[in-house]
Amino acid sequence: QVQLQESGPGLVKPSETLSLTCTVSGSSISNNYYWGWIRQPPGKGLEWIGSIYHSGKTYYNPSLKSRLTISVDPSKNQFSLMLRSVTAADTAMYCCARIVVVPGATGWFDPWGQGTPVTVSS
Amino acid sequence: QSVLTQPPSLSAAPGQKVTISCSGSSSNIGNHYVSWYQRLPGTAPKLLIYDNNKRPSGIPDRFSGSKSGTSATLGITGLQTGDEADYYCGTWDNSLSAWVFGGGTKLTVL
Repeated sequence: QVQLQESGPGLVKPSETLSLTCTVSGSSISNNYYWGWIRQPPGKGLEWIGSIYHSGKTYYNPSLKSRLTISVDPSKNQFSLMLRSVTAADTAMYCCARIVVVPGATGWFDPWGQGTPVTVSS
Repeated sequence: QSVLTQPPSLSAAPGQKVTISCSGSSSNIGNHYVSWYQRLPGTAPKLLIYDNNKRPSGIPDRFSGSKSGTSATLGITGLQTGDEADYYCGTWDNSLSAWVFGGGTKLTVL
């Protein structure tokens, strides 16, 4: 059974960098899947942040691309998120997920981590 | 504002049927498969439907999905109190080059 667990600071100061890690268990991160980050600000819907393949190929939400770096560490079966120059608008529940993409289909997110809350405040 | 539009809330009685709509455009739902997710309070989102109408192993057949044009629908029959959750639709958007989701629908079973 594949499980994902997010970890990282729950409080980040404005203008600093938000860093989170997702640890994957029950499956090798080098299998033929993409791995992604999604966030949900309070009272709002889900927002895809970005995705990465085990080769390191990344796909970023254009609205966040200039501040975003997603990386993968196959040796630790982890992938990570760094979001620079954060503001209060980046306050959200951050989730990681496996993205299943098959030929001829669009893909879907399964499973998800439980999520970790991040607040941007001084 | 979310790219995909869902009703913010719905309510229905136990045992009844409910449908949750998800409206998009030709750049997303109109040209891509839709997936649906359930988020119970305090838990990780769970995949309910993928490829418009397919259920993962373990998802009861009370849950169904359909798509027509630029809209998709999640149906839940035989409502149970345990179905009280937030439900989200999602797909890829060609114009935005991004995965997009609906704003979520809070289902109350009363």
